[in-house]
Order: sequence, then C-alpha cells, then structure tokens
Amino acid sequence: GENVEQHPSTLSVQEGDSAVIKCTYSDSASNYFPWYKQELGKRPQLIIDIRSNVGEKKDQRIAVTLNKTAKHFSLHITETQPEDSAVYFCAASTTGTASKLTFGTGTRLQVTL
Amino acid sequence: SQTIHQWPATLVQPVGSPLSLECTVEGTSNPNLYWYRQAAGRGLQLLFYSVGIGQISSEVPQNLSASRPQDRQFILSSKKLLLSDSGFYLCAWSGLRGSEQYFGPGTRLTVT
Repeated sequence: GENVEQHPSTLSVQEGDSAVIKCTYSDSASNYFPWYKQELGKRPQLIIDIRSNVGEKKDQRIAVTLNKTAKHFSLHITETQPEDSAVYFCAASTTGTASKLTFGTGTRLQVTL
Repeated sequence: SQTIHQWPATLVQPVGSPLSLECTVEGTSNPNLYWYRQAAGRGLQLLFYSVGIGQISSEVPQNLSASRPQDRQFILSSKKLLLSDSGFYLCAWSGLRGSEQYFGPGTRLTVT
C-alpha cells in the first residue's frame, strides 16, 4: 500500500518568512495530493490540492509543487502570519470509487512574532 | 452546499461500556464515507470506509465496528470500550470521484 513520509515534524519561522513542508510517497499510481491544516482542537481543513497532471498550483500565499519522477510534493507558505500556526498534513491517493487518502504524520508550524 | 454533522461533540465513557457515534452528510448523494481516529498530538488513522449502503471496509483490526444503514449516515460502534479507544474521532466524506475529502467537526472521546 501507499506510504507517505512528511518532514519536518516541527517548524518554527518568524512572521513574514516562508515555510516549506515536504512529503514523499511510495505508490507511483497515486495521482491526488491534498494538504490539510488542523488548528488545535479543530477538524482538518483542506487548504490546497494538486493532481498529477500539473506540477504546481498556487492560491494566494500558499503553493504546492509536485515532482512525479521523484515522488515528492511540497507545501510552500509565503509571508507567514501568526494565524498560519497549526499542524499541516499531506496526503496521497489514487482517484476512483474506493479511493483512500494516506496521510503523512504532520508538521507543527509555529509562526513567531 | 454540503454539510457534515457528527454527534456527540464530546463523550466520557467508562472502560467496558458501549459506544455509538453518528455521522450524517447533507447536500450530496452516494458519498464515500470515512471514519478516522486521531490520538492526542498524533496523525490520522483510517478506521473504516464505505462506498455505499451496507458496504464497509475495515482498515485496522480492533474492537470497533461501523455500519451504514442509510446513504448519508455512518455509525461507529463498540460493544466494550478500551482505554486505548480514547481519541478524536473524525468522520469524512468525498464525492463520486473519491478525491477531495471533507471532515466533520469530530467527537472527542475519553475512556476512563
């Protein structure tokens, strides 16, 4: 089955700096890669996703890049703000009727003033 | 728009007691439904998923079970809770393409 590794496990940046979180996956059949943000005590929220037919996707201050050859994808957050502090999870899956997400172990991002 | 509900929001149960958590989805038909558990400070563990009424796939052998009696209703149960069952239980749904998953608000279960 699919295995997703996520690094780093914790990340501290100063407000205004950029943050990068990296994930690798094992199953070459995976074609869908979402990122979730989970604030303390809350549900994970889908913040951005990418499919295997594109290499990069941006949404305001966040972007995701995908390298299918190397089987890794990354989340980039620019101009970080205190409200970006949360745990971020990457995931990978195939698409189809019975698709399942395999999640990484999470990255705790802390944005300091 | 689609909405996913879970109840109860919090639950404190003694070891050995039964459990029933409910999840319902509004605004969509034939969703894929998922149950996850998240231990404190940990990642998301997929417990069960369902692609249709009465169709349940189990990911992890344990003392939990799931049922889908209606298209948009997913129930997580246990006959006898263990201390290790404590955690944050999240229900999620996805559409026919089975890709984007959206989570419910969760149930925080404490087994004492």
